[in-house]
Amino acid sequence: EVVLTQSPDFQSVTPKEKVTITCRASQSIGSSLHWYQQKPDQSPKLLIKFASQSISGVPSRFSGSGSGTDFTLTINSLEAEDAAAYYCHQSSSLPFTFGPGTKVDIK
Amino acid sequence: EVQLLESGGGLVQPGGSLRLSCAASGFTFSTYALTWVRQAPGEGLEWVSGFSGSGGKTYYADSVKGRFTISRDNSKNTLLLQMNSLRADDTAVYYCARGVDSGSYTPFEYWGPGTLVTVSS
Repeated sequence: EVVLTQSPDFQSVTPKEKVTITCRASQSIGSSLHWYQQKPDQSPKLLIKFASQSISGVPSRFSGSGSGTDFTLTINSLEAEDAAAYYCHQSSSLPFTFGPGTKVDIK
Repeated sequence: EVQLLESGGGLVQPGGSLRLSCAASGFTFSTYALTWVRQAPGEGLEWVSGFSGSGGKTYYADSVKGRFTISRDNSKNTLLLQMNSLRADDTAVYYCARGVDSGSYTPFEYWGPGTLVTVSS
């Protein structure tokens, strides 16, 4: 099973600040890494697919990078509405797994 | 518009059974793989089970293998999850999810609102 670890666990950020969340896989997964945003009491929302591919309707301040075992989600110029938990997810091999999540709070 | 709507959650005693349904609309149901993902209260996301769009292949997490059965009724555009021998650690919101395109399980572009399953005496 591919284990995903995320850092940090929690981040408190001021608006307009840049946020970087990392996800590390226990083995190489190529680019089969996706990012989701989940706000309280809502379903997850797909933000980035295959490490760096954008999703229609997702603000351009969200971007992803990486391959192999190390991946990054970047939020440029954080907005108040970006307060949420962020999860990485790998689809390279079964069982599909998720990272433990990173909670982003607005100062 | 793609829509997924789960139902069937509720309170059940340990050892009991429950059947979840996911009603789908807005896409050609039979051609898409579908998945159940769960989230325990205050916890992260856990992939539970998937059913291919064609070929009838099914997959399960080790934590539910032998207890849960996924199925689909293409005539009713419905995904099902039969859950038996339920345990307290099965308590979670259960989401139905669809991939970005037919033939691919993931990534999950569409999600239902979820249905809460509580296993407690």
